[in-house]
Amino acid sequence: GEQVEQRPPHLSVREGDSAVITCTYTDPNSYYFFWYKQEPGASLQLLMKVFSSTEINEGQGFTVLLNKKDKRLSLNLTAAHPGDSAAYFCAVRNTGNYKYVFGAGTRLKVIA
Amino acid sequence: DMKVTQMPRYLIKRMGENVLLECGQDMSHETMYWYRQDPGLGLQLIYISYDVDSNSEGDIPKGYRVSRKKREHFSLILDSAKTNQTSVYFCASSLSPGLQNTLYFGAGTRLSVL
Repeated sequence: GEQVEQRPPHLSVREGDSAVITCTYTDPNSYYFFWYKQEPGASLQLLMKVFSSTEINEGQGFTVLLNKKDKRLSLNLTAAHPGDSAAYFCAVRNTGNYKYVFGAGTRLKVIA
Repeated sequence: DMKVTQMPRYLIKRMGENVLLECGQDMSHETMYWYRQDPGLGLQLIYISYDVDSNSEGDIPKGYRVSRKKREHFSLILDSAKTNQTSVYFCASSLSPGLQNTLYFGAGTRLSVL
């Protein structure tokens, strides 16, 4: 079945620097991709969802890139601030079933 | 207001006791999920429910069972809890995933089995 590897598990950056989190997946039929943010002690909140047809997706202060050839999904926080400190999880789903497969998460710390 | 509600938020049980975790959603979502979250492992799928009385095992179903008698309510049951079931449990729901549907998560239940 689908496997998702997320790197790095921990990331510490200074305020204003960029932070990049990457997920690689194995199933070439994967079609829907999600990034979730989880603040300490809280639930998971959707950051962005992207589809296989779109390679570059921009949000508020971040960009999500999808490289289908390499089966790689990345989240790039362009100018991190302390409020971005949280755990980030990628999730992947194909069109054939109801399962969302999650990466192990990245704990991001932004130092002021 | 779209919401997934989990009860209780915190629970301490002794090994061998039965545990009931409850989840409700007010969005009429067909599909509901139970995940557990452990450090370094991300979220692992325990069970999926496609609708009332239509449940399927996820990746780690052993030691768990579920019940869905109403569309808005999905329960996770641990019969004779074990210490390795100490974890944070998340319930989630989505519309029938024919489209690009998002998972909506509850706030989680932190379970400690002593």
